[in-house]
Amino acid sequence: KQEVTQIPAALSVPEGENLVLNCSFTDSAIYNLQWFRQDPGKGLTSLLLIQSSQREQTSGRLNASLDKSSGRSTLYIAASQPGDSATYLCAVSDGGGGNKLTFGTGTQLKVEL
Amino acid sequence: GAGVSQSPSNKVTEKGKDVELRCDPISGHTALYWYRQSLGQGLEFLIYFQGNSAPDKSGLPSDRFSAERTGGSVSTLTIQRTQQEDSAVYLCASRKRGTAYMNTEAFFGQGTRLTVV
Repeated sequence: KQEVTQIPAALSVPEGENLVLNCSFTDSAIYNLQWFRQDPGKGLTSLLLIQSSQREQTSGRLNASLDKSSGRSTLYIAASQPGDSATYLCAVSDGGGGNKLTFGTGTQLKVEL
Repeated sequence: GAGVSQSPSNKVTEKGKDVELRCDPISGHTALYWYRQSLGQGLEFLIYFQGNSAPDKSGLPSDRFSAERTGGSVSTLTIQRTQQEDSAVYLCASRKRGTAYMNTEAFFGQGTRLTVV
């Protein structure tokens, strides 16, 4: 059974700092990994999708990497801003064609002024 | 609208009553998922629909929970004889069909917050 772990569970940083969020998964036979953010009381917003054949994806100040063999992904946020404060979730898909996503428990990020 | 739409956004119901939660996926998305997020907990998979295939119901917590997807589009999650432990945010997601080697991006709705009193 796939298990996804995110460390740290919570993180507080001053504005402007670069930071890294970690995601690890136990079964490396994944098809892709997706990073989401969730604001309080809201649904999930997709940030980045990395296919199993890819090593990284970038969108603006966000960069996600994937090391499938070691079962790890990182989300790098450059020059953090207060608006980045949210819970960040990673999820892996174990099967092709749209099988279910298994989620980590998230990292709650607070970027302080 | 271009996104996944869920209704109602909030639902308060009395213990023992039945509730129906609705999800309108993005047009053309063949895969549809229901997840549950309890307070302070992670996302718990409930059920997955892919096209005309039999749904994966492996995450449904009890036989009080059921879901259907009509015409390959709108889905309804039904909870019968609601209990207080059913209180949670119910999230729906959809995505396009992928290939045997690649999955597409999943998009989530804003969720339905269910409170059982």
